[in-house]
Amino acid sequence: EAQVTQNPRYLITVTGKKLTVTCSQNMNHEYMSWYRQDPGLGLRQIYYSMNVEVTDKGDVPEGYKVSRKEKRNFPLILESPSPNQTSLYFCASSSRQGSETQYFGPGTRLLVL
Amino acid sequence: AQRVTQPEKLLSVFKGAPVELKCNYSYSGSPELFWYVQYSRQRLQLLLRHISRESIKGFTADLNKGETSFHLKKPFAQEEDSAMYYCALSGKSGGYNKLIFGAGTRLAVHP
Repeated sequence: EAQVTQNPRYLITVTGKKLTVTCSQNMNHEYMSWYRQDPGLGLRQIYYSMNVEVTDKGDVPEGYKVSRKEKRNFPLILESPSPNQTSLYFCASSSRQGSETQYFGPGTRLLVL
Repeated sequence: AQRVTQPEKLLSVFKGAPVELKCNYSYSGSPELFWYVQYSRQRLQLLLRHISRESIKGFTADLNKGETSFHLKKPFAQEEDSAMYYCALSGKSGGYNKLIFGAGTRLAVHP
């Protein structure tokens, strides 16, 4: 089944404790992206990747890092999480940038205390 | 600047009533527009895209370039339509195509 998976689905952590949210897709998509969803703000792009080893900042990259060492995986790294990073995070992939249908993961709900 | 505006945070209707979820955009070129839907406890999924000119689950959306709008409509709402709806625009930004989402409108359909 073609899908985007994320782990963990739920995470409670404390300020400053590094964490990684994994994202994997099995559709051989080149383009992957991370969004955060906050009430009243919709989805805002954090980082995106156009292919292996090619990543760039989205609209709200501060406090986040990403890597794309393999085509299927695009982990999101929070080196020192802060409470304002409490949010719902979605990973998405598509066969090319922007104008193609994006396939979303199930979301990761993060609470930073 | 590219922007997608969904003026209503919440739209509450009764079953069988017509529904219109508003979406206005700001973009200087020729945009591609989408509606995504998120049902309770499910992931976002594409509902429809303007270039397909299709009707999905009874929903339609017409791109009006003069009014820069892409409103989502359904003549008779059903309870299972209750969900969060996001309008999105794909356009060039800084040399690459980017998908920009509106803030979303929650549709609540009451029996």
